Amino acid sequence: NAGVTQTPKFQVLKTGQSMTLQCAQDMNHEYMSWYRQDPGMGLRLIHYSVGAGITDQGEVPNGYNVSRSTTEDFPLRLLSAAPSQTSVYFCASSPHADEQYFGPGTRLTVT
Amino acid sequence: SQQGEEDPQALSIQEGENATMNCSYKTSINNLQWYRQNSGRGLVHLILIRSNEREKHSGRLRVTLDTSKKSSSLLITASRAADTASYFCATDTGRRALTFGSGTRLQVQP
Repeated sequence: NAGVTQTPKFQVLKTGQSMTLQCAQDMNHEYMSWYRQDPGMGLRLIHYSVGAGITDQGEVPNGYNVSRSTTEDFPLRLLSAAPSQTSVYFCASSPHADEQYFGPGTRLTVT
Repeated sequence: SQQGEEDPQALSIQEGENATMNCSYKTSINNLQWYRQNSGRGLVHLILIRSNEREKHSGRLRVTLDTSKKSSSLLITASRAADTASYFCATDTGRRALTFGSGTRLQVQP
């Protein structure tokens, strides 16, 4: 199993650009989540999904969209990038909303 | 605001010593988890303790949970240089996604 994969690893955007961060898992997990981590801080929940077709907002959802059309994929879309969205983004999956398996992260810089 | 807050924010010890980190949280939980993050990497799950448990062990790790005080502690015994990392507590409040604290940065000097 590859586990949780994220692409790209690094991305630089200009203010106002849009992009999609990809996340995929091959463990058939129902639960998937997106977090952002700012320097020296813990992770903050952006959006999460409890199964295909079901998503919900987390602590910091503004400026981000998600969809879950399949069990495997959970992309995160930035509609109009802002410097405040400069962060490291982590995707995670879990079979039972217990132990979470994290991807390696995407480091995003918005200039 | 963060559900969990770790204390101390940073900890430096010598190899072989024990390291203790504490976590406090605000609302009722289903379980509390501890994760490790090496610099520039994703988080790795260490241990989970459920709300009806008081203590749990896994190798050199010992976790306690006091739901009356809304607090948990993580003890790493006989620390090694490879234990150098940031450690985060995370709480499951039944929303099917975790809420993380701000972490403790542990430095183990060889």
